[in-house]
Amino acid sequence: GAVVSQHPSWVICKSGTSVKIECRSLDFQATTMFWYRQFPKQSLMLMATSNEGSKATYEQGVEKDKFLINHASLTLSTLTVTSAHPEDSSFYICSAKEWRGAWYEQYFGPGTRLTVT
Amino acid sequence: QKEVEQNSGPLSVPEGAIASLNCTYSDRGSQSFFWYRQYSGKSPELIMFIYSNGDKEDGRFTAQLNKASQYVSLLIRDSQPSDSATYLCAVTPSYNTDKLIFGTGTRLQVFP
Repeated sequence: GAVVSQHPSWVICKSGTSVKIECRSLDFQATTMFWYRQFPKQSLMLMATSNEGSKATYEQGVEKDKFLINHASLTLSTLTVTSAHPEDSSFYICSAKEWRGAWYEQYFGPGTRLTVT
Repeated sequence: QKEVEQNSGPLSVPEGAIASLNCTYSDRGSQSFFWYRQYSGKSPELIMFIYSNGDKEDGRFTAQLNKASQYVSLLIRDSQPSDSATYLCAVTPSYNTDKLIFGTGTRLQVFP
């Protein structure tokens, strides 16, 4: 299957600073990528859909000015958590869609664990 | 009502037994259904997807879909301790086929 990478795998930052997380599709081009957030013992919650060359589509309740998404190429999407606060500490996971000939399959990156102190 | 519902578990089964995981969904127009496995601290990995009513088998895994009852299940035969993980059911909603809506997951424990 296709490979999606994320960087960094974990990050600790101080409250008020910004953190950028990268998501790359390594062996395929992804016009659409997705950003999820997962709190402990909870399910994945879709934050936004990232489309190459256009603005991201945010889910209800997700602040677009706080979670900046840029999908500048067919293999790279970035999520920047601006002015991070302890409540932003979570597991952030990206995914990318690949056309498999008759259906789309969604591949997940390994995730980035963010801790805001 | 949640869009995708799963029993959180844990579901405990002995090694070698069949584990049965269930999922219900609210959007009658949903067409695509997925089962993901997630180990603690890791991201989800796709086990199976199913689009048509009935059963779909892949190795030790069988997905079952009943659109009339809005129900999808995953059977794991010959369960192994390495199958111990959280199993997430995901559904593509009819209003946006780009998205996946996840259930909260069922934690499976397979004991030797």
